[in-house]
Amino acid sequence: EVQLVESGGGLVQPGGSLRLSCAASGFTVSGNHMYWVRQAPDRGLEWVSILYSDGTTYYPDSVKGRFTISRDTSKNTVYLQMNSLRGDDTAVYYCAREVPHAVHFDYWGHGTLVTVSS
Amino acid sequence: QSVLTQPRSVSGSPGQSVIISCSGTSSDVGAFNSVSWYQQHPGKGPKLIIYDVTKWPSGVPDRFSGSKSGNTASLTISGLQAQDEADYYCCSYAGGYSRWVFGGGTKLTVL
Repeated sequence: EVQLVESGGGLVQPGGSLRLSCAASGFTVSGNHMYWVRQAPDRGLEWVSILYSDGTTYYPDSVKGRFTISRDTSKNTVYLQMNSLRGDDTAVYYCAREVPHAVHFDYWGHGTLVTVSS
Repeated sequence: QSVLTQPRSVSGSPGQSVIISCSGTSSDVGAFNSVSWYQQHPGKGPKLIIYDVTKWPSGVPDRFSGSKSGNTASLTISGLQAQDEADYYCCSYAGGYSRWVFGGGTKLTVL
């Protein structure tokens, strides 16, 4: 059974850092495209990082230079390192999977809440 | 502000049908047959219910159906049931720099 379990969220001050984890089971993260997608309070969804199976990464301008996505194949886990956090980064962060060439997200985790506040 | 435009809310009675629209542009919805729809219940992660505009993942009932005309995609839910009450989000591949665009979500209330 495919499962994605996020962890690492919490309360952090503006300018601080946080690392989120997404533990995968039922498939290998290295063989799939992995995403972090966030949902700010009362707002829609926004992708914030992509890690393709070939190792290529992408970020939108809103987080470029501050967020880094990576994976540990030995732990079958994807990470999101978030630095220089701002108030508008406050959101629930979801991990999601895209099977290569599928062009949709077939599995999502339950999310982890990040609150940036002093 | 989300890139794709959805109605904030829709409602219907059990057994009825509702349609949720998702308006984009010729660079996203109109350019690719890669519109997907996600159902989200409170406190849960999104669940894929439609992909490639009209296809169902395994386990999703055919009461849910998708379509597209020009730059607007639509999700139709027929035979409404109480458990359909949730938020629904559309998503389109946009290629290039944008990659993926999402709608702002539609809250479905089953009366």
